[in-house]
Amino acid sequence: AQKITQTQPGMFVQEKEAVTLDCTYDTSDPSYGLFWYKQPSSGEMIFLIYQGSYDQQNATEGRYSLNFQKARKSANLVISASQLGDSAMYFCASRGGTSYGKLTFGQGTILTVHP
Amino acid sequence: EPEVTQTPSHQVTQMGQEVILRCVPISNHLYFYWYRQILGQKVEFLVSFYNNEISEKSEIFDDQFSVERPDGSNFTLKIRSTKLEDSAMYFCASSEALGLADNEQFFGPGTRLTVL
Repeated sequence: AQKITQTQPGMFVQEKEAVTLDCTYDTSDPSYGLFWYKQPSSGEMIFLIYQGSYDQQNATEGRYSLNFQKARKSANLVISASQLGDSAMYFCASRGGTSYGKLTFGQGTILTVHP
Repeated sequence: EPEVTQTPSHQVTQMGQEVILRCVPISNHLYFYWYRQILGQKVEFLVSFYNNEISEKSEIFDDQFSVERPDGSNFTLKIRSTKLEDSAMYFCASSEALGLADNEQFFGPGTRLTVL
């Protein structure tokens, strides 16, 4: 079973600054994947970044990086050089290696970028 | 760029009525999913589907729900007798593969279901 906890209901950041969105997970699977999705006010779900449990390096995708600390069971998303268009809801999700693709989502964090 | 499409974007129905939500996954994808998001809450998994069979389903996906791939392109979610608590945004997703590293799920824009 998977459980995702996002403890920050809302975060504010100044444009061009970096921001970290927290995510902790709990899982009974020996292998698993961690995902971040962005949900703008329009409602669609946009895949941002993926980290595998056996990956040695932290994942990076452009301005997004995932700070993966396996011992602490955390998978924080770091957005560098925030832009106004980054304002959205952000969901952390996990998937067990034995599942058929079932993603388990956290409650989400609303990020607001100020000019 | 290929994308998942969903119709309708908004469906309003009376309690007890049947609704069918439609999705067209990305054409070369083999794995299909339905999720729902009650307003202001987190996204919840409903069901995964592969090779014309349900692979996995959640406790939410009870006998009132069914999924079907009636032809080579559509993937549908049917709710037989809608309840007020079925009001939510329903997302369809698809992926090309199932391995952890290549299971990126592409989501459709969602169908907002309102049950009155």
